[in-house]
Amino acid sequence: SQQGEEDPQALSIQEGENATMNCSYKTSINNLQWYRQNSGRGLVHLILIRSNEREKHSGRLRVTLDTSKKSSSLLITASRAADTASYFCATDGFESNYQLIWGAGTKLIIKP
Amino acid sequence: ETGVTQTPRHLVMGMTNKKSLKCEQHLGHNAMYWYKQSAKKPLELMFVYNFKEQTENNSVPSRFSPECPNSSHLFLHLHTLQPEDSALYLCASSQGEGSGYEQYFGPGTRLTVT
Repeated sequence: SQQGEEDPQALSIQEGENATMNCSYKTSINNLQWYRQNSGRGLVHLILIRSNEREKHSGRLRVTLDTSKKSSSLLITASRAADTASYFCATDGFESNYQLIWGAGTKLIIKP
Repeated sequence: ETGVTQTPRHLVMGMTNKKSLKCEQHLGHNAMYWYKQSAKKPLELMFVYNFKEQTENNSVPSRFSPECPNSSHLFLHLHTLQPEDSALYLCASSQGEGSGYEQYFGPGTRLTVT
């Protein structure tokens, strides 16, 4: 069954603006990860946040996790054309036998 | 994408053909995965191997047959596929299996079944 659901499905913004993507999930989790995928290629790991963490930063990325709402957000600040990609969240926990369960992704387009 | 390679990158096959996908990881990882990615759908986990032993088979049809001869190599043997099997097949590896490991992906094989 699908665990993560990203929102919005697609997002188009101007270069330099901030991009925010959201992920909701259904069951309790141990960890939540965000990945990026450039068109038709493999996925690249961005950041992992544990269930006992609320916020994590990596460069221009900021991830928050609200376990009470079963949701996470990914913020990309000062977006660049190279950020154009699809972004996926994935969770692991007891109910998935600790395998990653993926959302369908948010397609982000950065307009120059 | 570096560290995990997949061949071929593109494959077109008829429903009666037999073909194999190959994945190799150069990261010294112990776990390897096959995923199926179809348009507008979440990644579907197909198989997991840890230390060469299969630990997950996610109700995958028998026309997909995995093989893991060692911790660095993973194959997906295909036979009598259906058009709905057309998708991007992704291989991934991780240091260990289970909670909290980030996965490293290959570039994928774009499979078209005619």
